[in-house]
Amino acid sequence: GESVGLHLPTLSVQEGDNSIINCAYSNSASDYFIWYKQESGKGPQFIIDIRSNMDKRQGQRVTVLLNKTVKHLSLQIAATQPGDSAVYFCAELTSGTYKYIFGTGTRLKVLA
Amino acid sequence: DTAVSQTPKYLVTQMGNDKSIKCEQNLGHDTMYWYKQDSKKFLKIMFSYNNKELIINETVPNRFSPKSPDKAHLNLHINSLELGDSAVYFCASAPGRNTEAFFGQGTRLTVV
Repeated sequence: GESVGLHLPTLSVQEGDNSIINCAYSNSASDYFIWYKQESGKGPQFIIDIRSNMDKRQGQRVTVLLNKTVKHLSLQIAATQPGDSAVYFCAELTSGTYKYIFGTGTRLKVLA
Repeated sequence: DTAVSQTPKYLVTQMGNDKSIKCEQNLGHDTMYWYKQDSKKFLKIMFSYNNKELIINETVPNRFSPKSPDKAHLNLHINSLELGDSAVYFCASAPGRNTEAFFGQGTRLTVV
């Protein structure tokens, strides 16, 4: 149904600073996690993923951290740029299923 | 070439009408999805097909009917449209389990 009562959190950061976006996932059986970026008027785009046998994965300017003990994911963006302004979603997938479950999203605003 | 393409991008229609949204993927993926994104950006899975077979059918009104004529296409037909159906609908595809899903650009449906 609708996300009644849920508000889209916003993170505002200065250009050039590092950003950290957090996500609490729901299912302790989930074993694959993805971060997506959604720009205005577009569909979600893959940024980085991580499997449950890892706790850290790095890409270009992005790092994902996974803490399975507390069911927490974070996305770190280094040297945030204006083009990073978007809504960021985490998604989880449980082994043996095809069902991607998305978190509520965080809007990142980069201030000049 | 667009990997996952949806038509139309915008759809404005009156309550009570029946409408369809089409989706095609040229990635050779076996699995396709429909997601609904509400005004608060919450992404909720509706349906999934794997090799033309329905594998996920969330709690969606039966006015919504997906159809997969082949594994490259997944269309969404909506009968008797209601105001609450207004949202952005995203099609996605994935090559299998435990891989990222690729999203289309979305169809903004407005029911008046």
